[in-house]
Amino acid sequence: DSGVTQTPKHLITATGQRVTLRCSPRSGDLSVYWYQQSLDQGLQFLIQYYNGEERAKGNILERFSAQQFPDLHSELNLSSLELGDSALYFCASSVVGGFDQTQYFGPGTRLLVL
Amino acid sequence: GENVEQHPSTLSVQEGDSAVIKCTYSDSASNYFPWYKQELGKGPQLIIDIRSNVGEKKDQRIAVTLNKTAKHFSLHITETQPEDSAVYFCAAKGRTGGFKTIFGAGTRLFVKA
Repeated sequence: DSGVTQTPKHLITATGQRVTLRCSPRSGDLSVYWYQQSLDQGLQFLIQYYNGEERAKGNILERFSAQQFPDLHSELNLSSLELGDSALYFCASSVVGGFDQTQYFGPGTRLLVL
Repeated sequence: GENVEQHPSTLSVQEGDSAVIKCTYSDSASNYFPWYKQELGKGPQLIIDIRSNVGEKKDQRIAVTLNKTAKHFSLHITETQPEDSAVYFCAAKGRTGGFKTIFGAGTRLFVKA
């Protein structure tokens, strides 16, 4: 158990809908990362937050947004969902946001868009 | 943009044999190289990492080597066991490009008992 929690574990929804994925980092970790894992794209970095501020941005679609709250939990919002958004979404956390910080991954949220 | 290539995509070894997974990266500014193991239904777990000022690092049966000139790094698992069966990902990260971690496509390792 990495200490990172993600809810929900599974999510089934329809195209065009909006969902929110939640992540609680390990106790004491200030930085949160979001990743998308699909069969054809592998693990793709979406976005990183450090102590409430956006730190780095990857291949995150405009339909997706995220934020980190004062209590350091983070939410990833996915809107206007398409079939291709079906994937595993992982959250990871690290103590600080430096380039060589160990990232601890949560168990993931499996999203299925029908 | 930055890219990490990983080979092979699938690797099958006999229990007790060694397994080697290789990665190359494109961004010469990358200076941190973690390796993750992902078991079925779980998130990736860091198993070893290496920084650019080190050429080799070992932790029990696992070792990683880094050749910065060739932009190449490898994972070596010795005396493989069935519980080593999983998907392994290499990754590269550096200050250039805003601290993004770029992952390889993964290697599915099967260890046959």
